[in-house]
Amino acid sequence: QKEVEQDPGPLSVPEGAIVSLNCTYSNSAFQYFMWYRQYSRKGPELLMYTYSSGNKEDGRFTAQVDKSSKYISLFIRDSQPSDSATYLCAMSANQGGKLIFGQGTELSVKP
Amino acid sequence: GAVVSQHPSRVICKSGTSVKIECRSLDFQATTMFWYRQFPKQSLMLMATSNEGSKATYEQGVEKDKFLINHASLTLSTLTVTSAHPEDSSFYICSGQAPTSTDTQYFGPGTRLTVL
Repeated sequence: QKEVEQDPGPLSVPEGAIVSLNCTYSNSAFQYFMWYRQYSRKGPELLMYTYSSGNKEDGRFTAQVDKSSKYISLFIRDSQPSDSATYLCAMSANQGGKLIFGQGTELSVKP
Repeated sequence: GAVVSQHPSRVICKSGTSVKIECRSLDFQATTMFWYRQFPKQSLMLMATSNEGSKATYEQGVEKDKFLINHASLTLSTLTVTSAHPEDSSFYICSGQAPTSTDTQYFGPGTRLTVL
């Protein structure tokens, strides 16, 4: 079993839709959670960083962490074609420590 | 802020040759840099962690004699793929750890290596 599981998609939605991306993990030592966006043939770009259970909002993005269920989510409101990318969850046990990535979910937002 | 660059962005080489990839933190000092490999449609796999002025720490299964890492300064780390073979063809991405309150990793744009 992988430490971090993420549905690879692809996920296709119409412009304006709410997108829900999810990851589950098995290692209860993970305390720090990140979401990265990666455009094709580019490096990952940090979107959200959280370390406590609950919600964190930044513009159209909301990150949700449920440590009791070992489940994290990223919600994108009013999705745009420019949001089309691969979204990677990542987590670590220690601040600044080794990151374990999910497989990434490929998202396509159709105009 | 927190910009990381990589050079070259793409390289094609013949089997048996060595290739050097540079990773630079442009607007911050990175005491720690990480090197990842990403195969198509797959996630990033950590290869090694390098700290400025000391030897790199390699992940299990990564050949340290094949993937030479040098972190000579707080803004530059290099990865040399020695005697490259077609199975080494991949997307290599580095990251620098910014000295912020969260010690976040900021990633470079990646280097596409194709070994013929």
